[in-house]
Amino acid sequence: KNEVEQSPQNLTAQEGEFITINCSYSVGISALHWLQQHPGGGIVSLFMLSSGKKKHGRLIATINIQEKHSSLHITASHPRDSAVYICAVRGQGAQKLVFGQGTRLTINP
Amino acid sequence: DGGITQSPKYLFRKEGQNVTLSCEQNLNHDAMYWYRQDPGQGLRLIYYSQIVNDFQKGDIAEGYSVSREKKESFPLTVTSAQKNPTAFYLCASSIGTEGYYEQYFGPGTRLTVT
Repeated sequence: KNEVEQSPQNLTAQEGEFITINCSYSVGISALHWLQQHPGGGIVSLFMLSSGKKKHGRLIATINIQEKHSSLHITASHPRDSAVYICAVRGQGAQKLVFGQGTRLTINP
Repeated sequence: DGGITQSPKYLFRKEGQNVTLSCEQNLNHDAMYWYRQDPGQGLRLIYYSQIVNDFQKGDIAEGYSVSREKKESFPLTVTSAQKNPTAFYLCASSIGTEGYYEQYFGPGTRLTVT
């Protein structure tokens, strides 16, 4: 079993829909990261959180430390949100990130 | 503009040849990382460096080598000993290696070995 599991692996939705991507992990963590990878391959950091909730524009990230679970939400989705979304965690005392396999999101107009 | 540059974007090599991938950052970050990405898999750590003249093996270091002679630069050499070198390689940096620092990623180099 991977330390970081994302679901779903692939998600296709219509423009305007509310999107939820889930991330579950099995170790105690010091931080969880949500990353976005566009078709060209470049990766952008969206959020880094260790508790609660963060919001940036139409993106919202939440984390439940007790349940070892995080969600990334996109409101009013748009075709430009189409990308691979990656969850990564850093274990307590660890010096490296462990990455999930990614969720490929496609938003159709 | 501060950021991470990787060159080239696409690289083609013949089997048996060593190849060096470039990674440069002007963010004044101490820590730098090399990851490998294969289709359907998460990023895997090859090597990382917390400070100049120091680096540690990641999860899949076999067949790779690195150097960190300057703070700004962390080149990765893919040697002929790497069994499956064709992959997408990403370089990243952060202020430090603690959990509360974000990692900033370069645009990546896609290496094809035939």
